[in-house]
Amino acid sequence: GQNIDQPTEMTATEGAIVQINCTYQTSGFNGLFWYQQHAGEAPTFLSYNVLDGLEEKGRFSSFLSRSKGYSYLLLKELQMKDSASYLCATPSSGGSYIPTFGRGTSLIVHP
Amino acid sequence: NAGVMQNPRHLVRRRGQEARLRCSPMKGHSHVYWYRQLPEEGLKFMVYLQKENIIDESGMPKERFSAEFPKEGPSILRIQQVVRGDSAAYFCASSDEVADTQYFGPGTRLTVL
Repeated sequence: GQNIDQPTEMTATEGAIVQINCTYQTSGFNGLFWYQQHAGEAPTFLSYNVLDGLEEKGRFSSFLSRSKGYSYLLLKELQMKDSASYLCATPSSGGSYIPTFGRGTSLIVHP
Repeated sequence: NAGVMQNPRHLVRRRGQEARLRCSPMKGHSHVYWYRQLPEEGLKFMVYLQKENIIDESGMPKERFSAEFPKEGPSILRIQQVVRGDSAAYFCASSDEVADTQYFGPGTRLTVL
């Protein structure tokens, strides 16, 4: 199965850069997802990494190191609307490939 | 292209009643997943279905909960004889292939009085 660990809460200043870390332990690796979830809303897809390295998508980038069981989400030029929970998830290695979600990191962006 | 649809968005039930939650996957998606989320907690997987088949129900409580995804119509999550502890947000997601990105619906917020 999977164990996913990410910080519970982070705070940052508008305009700054923040890095949200995620470590995982899995018996078989099938990629890693990041989702954003605003309070009271559905999670929305941000990124999917299956190979090592950094993938950039606008203000958001995601990094993966399979050998270290480690990923991070990098948010640049923070805006107030980036205040949300960020969920790290990785599919199981069993036949159904169901993603296991971490508890999420609540990011608070203040002026 | 409409996204994942869920209804109702909010559902209030008294203890002992039945709750039915509906989910229509994104067009072209044949894989449906149900998750439950309690306040301040992460998403917990409940069940994974394809058309007319339950593929993985390892996250479903053994009693009172059932799910289906008929050949025609939406997927249904049914909770019989609801209790206060069932109060939560229930999210449905769909994907094109089994290991593909899941796209989530807006959720149904169930409140049991």
